[in-house]
Order: sequence, then structure tokens, then C-alpha cells
Amino acid sequence: EDKVVQSPLSLVVHEGDTVTLNCSYEVTNFRSLLWYKQEKKAPTFLFMLTSSGIEKKSGRLSSILDKKELSSILNITATQTGDSAIYLCAVDDYGGSQGNLIFGKGTKLSVKP
Amino acid sequence: DAGITQSPRYKITETGRQVTLMCHQTWSHSYMFWYRQDLGHGLRLIYYSAAADITDKGEVPDGYVVSRSKTENFPLTLESATRSQTSVYFCASSERRVSGNTIYFGEGSWLTVV
Repeated sequence: EDKVVQSPLSLVVHEGDTVTLNCSYEVTNFRSLLWYKQEKKAPTFLFMLTSSGIEKKSGRLSSILDKKELSSILNITATQTGDSAIYLCAVDDYGGSQGNLIFGKGTKLSVKP
Repeated sequence: DAGITQSPRYKITETGRQVTLMCHQTWSHSYMFWYRQDLGHGLRLIYYSAAADITDKGEVPDGYVVSRSKTENFPLTLESATRSQTSVYFCASSERRVSGNTIYFGEGSWLTVV
């Protein structure tokens, strides 16, 4: 059965810290891995990583895909209170007919002032 | 630039009542999805649709009905609401591409069944 596992489930840090969130996956036909940020409302898209794009960066956020280890990390440097959110990892299984993403349960990040 | 809109955003209903959550997207995406999100379970797929008049079950379809007569609309109906259906419901859409899917979410509908 396909699955996506994120760790840790929750994390508390102070402003200015650097954090690393982890995502590992087991899917039949991997096509891409996506990261979303969810504050109080809907998940918003951050990055998509594929075999041809294994590293992405946007400001203080960056992500790397390790296809050999079937995993990805999301790094946030110089954290701010506005980074507090649930971070979701999702994997696109190319073999699936539903066009769906398989989501992990998320990592809840709390950044204290 | 409406994207995906859901209505109602918040609803309280009684056990046994029928409830319909509406979803409308302006991107003409072929795929649409309904998820529910609960503590400890994350996002779970209820139903999805690959195109108008094509729908299929996801992970947790029991107690729900969907239809998709037009590409832009994908309503979700709880035929006889139960307390276990108290949840946050997200509608989403995507355009399936060879390079990969990016799913975009609506703002969510908070449903409480009492």
C-alpha cells in the first residue's frame, strides 16, 4: 500500500532557528513530490520536486528530493513566527488513475518569539 | 481571480439531515477532489472526478454522494449527516500534466453535525 510518512509530527522552535522537516514515501510509480503549507485555512502550494528538479529554493525555504532514499527534506532558515503552520508532504503516483496526491499527516511547526 | 470557491464556509446541521457543500472552480481544471481533514488522520480523499460526468470513490466515500454535470462544479452531498462527519471539507482541483499534478485547494467548509 502506498504511503507517505512525515517526521516529526510536531516541532517547537524559537525565532531565528533553522528547522528541517522530513518526508519519506513508498509509492508504486513515483512522479513528483509536493510540499504544502497550511495555516488556519487551506493548504497552499510551496514546491514540486521531480526527477528533473530535485532541489528547489524560495527565500528562506528550500527542499531537496532524494530518489535513492525515497525521501525529501524541507528546510526553513531564520524562522519567523509567520512560519508557524502545518507542513504537508504529498506524492504523485504516476500509475494512479485518479490524478490524486497521497498526503502525509503533516508536521506542525510552532515558532516562538 | 476566484480560483476555487466553497460554500457554505461554516455550517451546523442536525444528525439525519441532508447537507450539500458546493464547490466551483474558474480554472477549467479537469480534475476535482473532495477531501476531509481530521486530527490524527490528515487529508483523506472522499471522491474525485476526472472530468464532467466521471466520478469515482476515494478512501472514505461512505455516506457521501457527488455529481459533476459541469466541469466547474463539484458538489458534495451528505445524504444523512452523522456526528462522525463533523470535519473540515476541502474541495480541490488540478490539471493532470505529464510533468506532474499540482492540486489547488479551496478555503474549506467547516461542518458540525450535532
